[in-house]
Amino acid sequence: DIQMTQSPSTLSASVGDRVTITCRASQSISSWLAWYQQKPGKAPKLLIYKASSLESGVPSRFSGSGSGTEFTLTISSLQPDDFATYYCQQYNSYFTFGPGTNVEI
Amino acid sequence: QVQLVESGGGLVKPGGSLRLSCAASGFTFSDYYMSWIRQAPGKGLEWVSYISSSGSTIYYADSVKGRFTISRDNAKNSLYLQMNSLRAEDTAVYYCARTDYRRAFDIWGQGTMVTVSS
Repeated sequence: DIQMTQSPSTLSASVGDRVTITCRASQSISSWLAWYQQKPGKAPKLLIYKASSLESGVPSRFSGSGSGTEFTLTISSLQPDDFATYYCQQYNSYFTFGPGTNVEI
Repeated sequence: QVQLVESGGGLVKPGGSLRLSCAASGFTFSDYYMSWIRQAPGKGLEWVSYISSSGSTIYYADSVKGRFTISRDNAKNSLYLQMNSLRAEDTAVYYCARTDYRRAFDIWGQGTMVTVSS
């Protein structure tokens, strides 16, 4: 089974900050990685797929990079609406989510 | 608009059964793979099961294999999850999600809560 880790688990930031979240896979997953945003009481929302492709309707301040086993999600200028929990997820072999990163004020 | 709506959650005793449903609208349901994903209270996301567009290919997480059964009715635009031998650790919000081979879980329902408790 492929395991996913994320760092940090919690990130304290301010509006306007550049924020980077790292996701690592226990073995190579090529570019089969997605990022989701989840707010309390809501379903997750797809932000990035195939490691770096921006989902339609998602603001361009979100970007993804990486391949193989190491990936990053970057928010170029944090907005008030971006305070949420972010999950990475591999879909190279079945499906596995990372433990999540809580972005807080 | 593209929408998924889950139903069927509730309170059930350990060892009991429950059947979840997911109604799809706004897209051609029969063209898409579908999945169930769950989230225990205060915890992260866990993939539960996947079914191909025709229903011919099915996968389960080890944690539910042999107890849960995924199925679909393309004529009714509906996805199902039959959950048997429920345990306390199955307590979670259950989401259905449209599954795309490139875009992973691109559309999610609002979730339905399943509580397993005596």
